[in-house]
Amino acid sequence: AQSVAQPEDQVNVAEGNPLTVKCTYSVSGNPYLFWYVQYPNRGLQFLLKYITGDNLVKGSYGFEAEFNKSQTSFHLKKPSALVSDSALYFCAVRDQSGGYNKLIFGAGTRLAVHP
Amino acid sequence: GAVVSQHPSRVICKSGTSVKIECRSLDFQATTMFWYRQFPKQSLMLMATSNEGSKATYEQGVEKDKFLINHASLTLSTLTVTSAHPEDSSFYICSARAISWSGGVAGELFFGEGSRLTVL
Repeated sequence: AQSVAQPEDQVNVAEGNPLTVKCTYSVSGNPYLFWYVQYPNRGLQFLLKYITGDNLVKGSYGFEAEFNKSQTSFHLKKPSALVSDSALYFCAVRDQSGGYNKLIFGAGTRLAVHP
Repeated sequence: GAVVSQHPSRVICKSGTSVKIECRSLDFQATTMFWYRQFPKQSLMLMATSNEGSKATYEQGVEKDKFLINHASLTLSTLTVTSAHPEDSSFYICSARAISWSGGVAGELFFGEGSRLTVL
């Protein structure tokens, strides 16, 4: 079965510093990987995805993620964090079993950016 | 991105009553919609896959008779929590997979804003 793991419950970063939110994956076949962000009491907003091609994927709001096949990782990064980036971040993998291309989410990582 | 509307955004009901949550794709058509449940400070757990014109496919451990899903059209799926109990209190989120839409490629997945159910 496809799965993703987010090893950190929370990440604390000072504003202006670079941030990394970690994600590792376990898939059979080619991985289709996603990052979403969730603000309190809101739905999910799409940040970026990796399907194929360049290992460095650029997404919304200045975020990017690096696909690393040898380490089975897809870490989310941003060069300079903003307080407004504070939210819950989910890594997800596409599961094509059953033919419906559903998304399986990691446990989530809460990002706290301090002024 | 395309818009998925969920209604109601918040609902409080008494134990034993049934609650219906609607998920609508506003500017695209979706043959497939997904229903997720999210407990406080936890991840999204897929409950079921909803398909237009056919029965929903439920994940293991999800009670079909408890969580009734109807995908009546290419723009509407509903989740009915029947005989709700306090343990059903949760944040329910739907997502819809676009057949096609003006802003991008077919197959894109969009999420609603979620519906918070509180059962007293």
